[in-house]
Amino acid sequence: GAGVSQSPSNKVTEKGKDVELRCDPISGHTALYWYRQSLGQGLEFLIYFQGNSAPDKSGLPSDRFSAERTGGSVSTLTIQRTQQEDSAVYLCASSLRRESEAFFGQGTRLTVV
Amino acid sequence: RKEVEQDPGPFNVPEGATVAFNCTYSNSASQSFFWYRQDCRKEPKLLMSVYSSGNEDGRFTAQLNRASQYISLLIRDSKLSDSATYLCVPSGAGSYQLTFGKGTKLSVIP
Repeated sequence: GAGVSQSPSNKVTEKGKDVELRCDPISGHTALYWYRQSLGQGLEFLIYFQGNSAPDKSGLPSDRFSAERTGGSVSTLTIQRTQQEDSAVYLCASSLRRESEAFFGQGTRLTVV
Repeated sequence: RKEVEQDPGPFNVPEGATVAFNCTYSNSASQSFFWYRQDCRKEPKLLMSVYSSGNEDGRFTAQLNRASQYISLLIRDSKLSDSATYLCVPSGAGSYQLTFGKGTKLSVIP
């Protein structure tokens, strides 16, 4: 079956531009996560959606970052006025329930030049 | 105390060796536990869930000690393809559900 799908797989953008990253979770999964990973580093939590509950945004690093999840399915992570330190791999994951194992997409590699 | 603590390694072991990784977690309210593996420049992939009674999947054995808040992973008969970073992940506690440590790097040497 289809796994978690992320697009684009690679994105190069100029400093100061806005970018949108998309995540299509596994159908029926109620939980959706965004993480980012810089080269050689661990996963940094960004935001978590669970069903219709208010998202946990505690990991967003600044107000330039926002995310939404429409209809409990597709999610978009938006980074405004990108900075070079935003360069990283952005990973999306989904799970069936809040305590279930999560499955990751292949990530979007963002490079800000 | 960090939420998840793992020895970062690297663990360099010869093919065929047995290697064990340990992980401690700080949140006693964690409900579920998983081991993921992450290959270089790839996304994490679920290796196995960890059950209270301990569980085995082929060459891999996972153990959970709730009293000590400790999880382990044992890999027997190591293969070159086992080279990766292994991530211990407690779940089901706190404001979000998956807590990733920095992982333990394993290199299996011919």
